[in-house]
Amino acid sequence: DSGVTQTPKHLITATGQRVTLRCSPRSGDLSVYWYQQSLDQGLQFLIQYYNGEERAKGNILERFSAQQFPDLHSELNLSSLELGDSALYFCASSPGVDWGEKLFFGSGTQLSVL
Amino acid sequence: DAKTTQPPSMDCAEGRAANLPCNHSTISGNEYVYWYRQIHSQGPQYIIHGLKNNETNEMASLIITEDRKSSTLILPHATLRDTAVYYCIVRVDHNQGGKLIFGQGTELSVKP
Repeated sequence: DSGVTQTPKHLITATGQRVTLRCSPRSGDLSVYWYQQSLDQGLQFLIQYYNGEERAKGNILERFSAQQFPDLHSELNLSSLELGDSALYFCASSPGVDWGEKLFFGSGTQLSVL
Repeated sequence: DAKTTQPPSMDCAEGRAANLPCNHSTISGNEYVYWYRQIHSQGPQYIIHGLKNNETNEMASLIITEDRKSSTLILPHATLRDTAVYYCIVRVDHNQGGKLIFGQGTELSVKP
């Protein structure tokens, strides 16, 4: 158990809808990272938050947004969903701002867009 | 960050050492070699990392060539639970903001 909690584990929705994925980092970790894993693209870094502020951006679509709350949990919002957004979404955390020597990953949310 | 090249798949007999190679011929002096693994659809798990010296921990050993252009991850006594995708990642030191960017990895199958 990495200490990173993601909910829900599975999510099934329809095209055009909006969903929210939730992540609780390890106790004491201030940075949260979101990754998307699809069959054709592999593991893609989306975005990093540190202590409530956006810190680094990767290949995140404009339809996607994230935020980190004062209690340090983070949410990834996906809107106007398309079939191609079906993927495993992972959250990871680390103690500091600098990506950390090690990232600790949650068990992921499997999103299916039908 | 420098790119890495790994074989797409490898097999290993249970109880034997698994040696996973990684080529990173364009690695820079301030870039570290990291290894993570992902057991079927679970979140990736950190294994080990190093700069130029060989490293060992409770999970594995990392051997980096003297010119740093390649490295080998060694699982000394592979078990069925080591079946996973292993990612070799080259990244700038985390203190300098080195992002963790995953490639395609090597799918290791440990067979009885």
